[in-house]
Amino acid sequence: ETGVTQSPTHLIKTRGQQVTLRCSSQSGHNTVSWYQQALGQGPQFIFQYYREEENGRGNFPPRFSGLQFPNYSSELNVNALELDDSALYLCASSHKGGSKVSDTQYFGPGTRLTVL
Amino acid sequence: DQQVKQNSPSLSVQEGRISILNCDYTNSMFDYFLWYKKYPAEGPTFLISISSIKDKNEDGRFTVFLNKSAKHLSLHIVPSQPGDSAVYFCAASRAFGNEKLTFGTGTRLTIIP
Repeated sequence: ETGVTQSPTHLIKTRGQQVTLRCSSQSGHNTVSWYQQALGQGPQFIFQYYREEENGRGNFPPRFSGLQFPNYSSELNVNALELDDSALYLCASSHKGGSKVSDTQYFGPGTRLTVL
Repeated sequence: DQQVKQNSPSLSVQEGRISILNCDYTNSMFDYFLWYKKYPAEGPTFLISISSIKDKNEDGRFTVFLNKSAKHLSLHIVPSQPGDSAVYFCAASRAFGNEKLTFGTGTRLTIIP
């Protein structure tokens, strides 16, 4: 059983640029959630994707958007980057529906984004 | 609005003794609670969870206690081992653990050999 993977590991961008982060969910999982963890803080929920549609969103502006693909992998896109977007971006996978339910979210190692 | 609070930023415990990490929440709609452990440069690792219909859940050295009336949960680690040194986050959900999680700010646990 493969775990959650994320790419890239680190990324440096400048203010105003756009970035795409990628996540592959754990095998057997169909749900992906994205979190932002600023320094010294706990992870904050950005949004969740289930069956290729957004299924809940946290308090983040529309310039944070995402996609989920038929193989359940996901992308997080951030437009018009701001200095405050510098953070660790975490992806977590779980499973909903059917006879197998995962009541737990399993996290990837994260992507460290630095905005200069 | 910090709905999940971990008021102790750090905790040091002697190896072999009990570690007790605390977490308070304000949202009475939270129904499911989880503890995660995080090492540097890694994502959070799931430790243990508890549903609001229970007041205790055990898994090996880890026990989570939930006091719904006080809106308080705690994680007990017995006996503490050096590998337990990490940042511990408590998280809460309004439904199941696969829904939106609201995290506390974490407690850094250091186990002293």
